[in-house]
Amino acid sequence: DAGVIQSPRHEVTEMGQEVTLRCKPISGHNSLFWYRQTMMRGLELLIYFNNNVPIDDSGMPEDRFSAKMPNASFSTLKIQPSEPRDSAVYFCASSLRDRRGNSPLHFGNGTRLTVT
Amino acid sequence: TQLLEQSPQFLSIQEGENLTVYCNSSSVFSSLQWYRQEPGEGPVLLVTVVTGGEVKKLKRLTFQFGDARKDSSLHITAAQPGDTGLYLCAGEVDSGYALNFGKGTSLLVTP
Repeated sequence: DAGVIQSPRHEVTEMGQEVTLRCKPISGHNSLFWYRQTMMRGLELLIYFNNNVPIDDSGMPEDRFSAKMPNASFSTLKIQPSEPRDSAVYFCASSLRDRRGNSPLHFGNGTRLTVT
Repeated sequence: TQLLEQSPQFLSIQEGENLTVYCNSSSVFSSLQWYRQEPGEGPVLLVTVVTGGEVKKLKRLTFQFGDARKDSSLHITAAQPGDTGLYLCAGEVDSGYALNFGKGTSLLVTP
């Protein structure tokens, strides 16, 4: 089991540039989540997908943020244009959700984004 | 507004001491999960509690879910340096789908 794979591990970019974060969930999982972690706000849910369909994107901070899941094995989170306040660690997580719920999340190791 | 409040925010203790960290909310959760996160890595699930009043043990770690399913605690007996990390609680509300996380308790255990 390779786990959830995120790339890149680190991204440093200048304000105004486009940033794309990538995620490969665990094979067979039907739910995918994007979280952002900062010291001030902790782990914040940005968006989640179920069976590749976005269910709730109310956590996406602004229109500058967008996420896609074109198939069950790949998702992207894009920030355009990036701003210094977007600096954070971005985590992708996947789970296999059934009718009972209570599904544990399996996290990737995150992408540390620094916008200068 | 944070749905889940964790306390204390930081805790520094010596090896061999006992400790308890708390996770509180005004909301009722269908389940609550505890995760541990180490630097440079994503959170890893420790346990899921589902039933009010439930107690689960994982070696030296004891997890309790409150009777009203609004709060939880994690007790560590005889802490070891390997217990160092960020402990996060996460809850799934009855009508919800995704997990809401607390800000975590950062634990440092020194030899």
